[in-house]
Amino acid sequence: GQNIDQPTEMTATEGAIVQINCTYQTSGFNGLFWYQQHAGEAPTFLSYNVLDGLEEKGRFSSFLSRSKGYSYLLLKELQMKDSASYLCAVRSDYKLSFGAGTTVTVRA
Amino acid sequence: DADVTQTPRNRITKTGKRIMLECSQTKGHDRMYWYRQDPGLGLRLIYYSFDVKDINKGEISDGYSVSRQAQAKFSLSLESAIPNQTALYFCATSDFPAGGTGELFFGEGSRLTVL
Repeated sequence: GQNIDQPTEMTATEGAIVQINCTYQTSGFNGLFWYQQHAGEAPTFLSYNVLDGLEEKGRFSSFLSRSKGYSYLLLKELQMKDSASYLCAVRSDYKLSFGAGTTVTVRA
Repeated sequence: DADVTQTPRNRITKTGKRIMLECSQTKGHDRMYWYRQDPGLGLRLIYYSFDVKDINKGEISDGYSVSRQAQAKFSLSLESAIPNQTALYFCATSDFPAGGTGELFFGEGSRLTVL
């Protein structure tokens, strides 16, 4: 099975940077995903890492270290619309298991 | 129109009733999934299907059953609903990840309340 840990809540100021960490323990790892979920809505795909290193997509970047079982999602130039829950998910045997999510609140 | 459609979007029912949540998709994906989401617990996999003839239990399948009627349709049933099945249910689809990410595409969710 999977054990996926991420902080419950984070607060940051508009324009700032926030880093959301995710640690995992799994067998048969074949990819790590980050999803964004606004309250009452469906999760939407943000990023994917399968090899070690940094993937950058605009204001969002995601990093993976497979040997450490560690990933982070970096959100730059925070905007009010970035207030949401961010879900770390690990794929193993082609099934995704999710962490409980990190609620990010962006304050003016 | 949404690529992954769930019905009903909201349902209130009583303990012991049979409930079916339906999911249809126009993405042409072979793989479909049912998850439930509870506050503080995240998304948990109930059942998944990698093609029409393939059905597999997830981590919390007790009290649930599924039917894959066609490539595009995957329904979730609660044979006798109980209050701790009150949750937000999501259907999702994915393609085989070879050559791509194989990320999940989610429906809009079905909020079920069991009284």
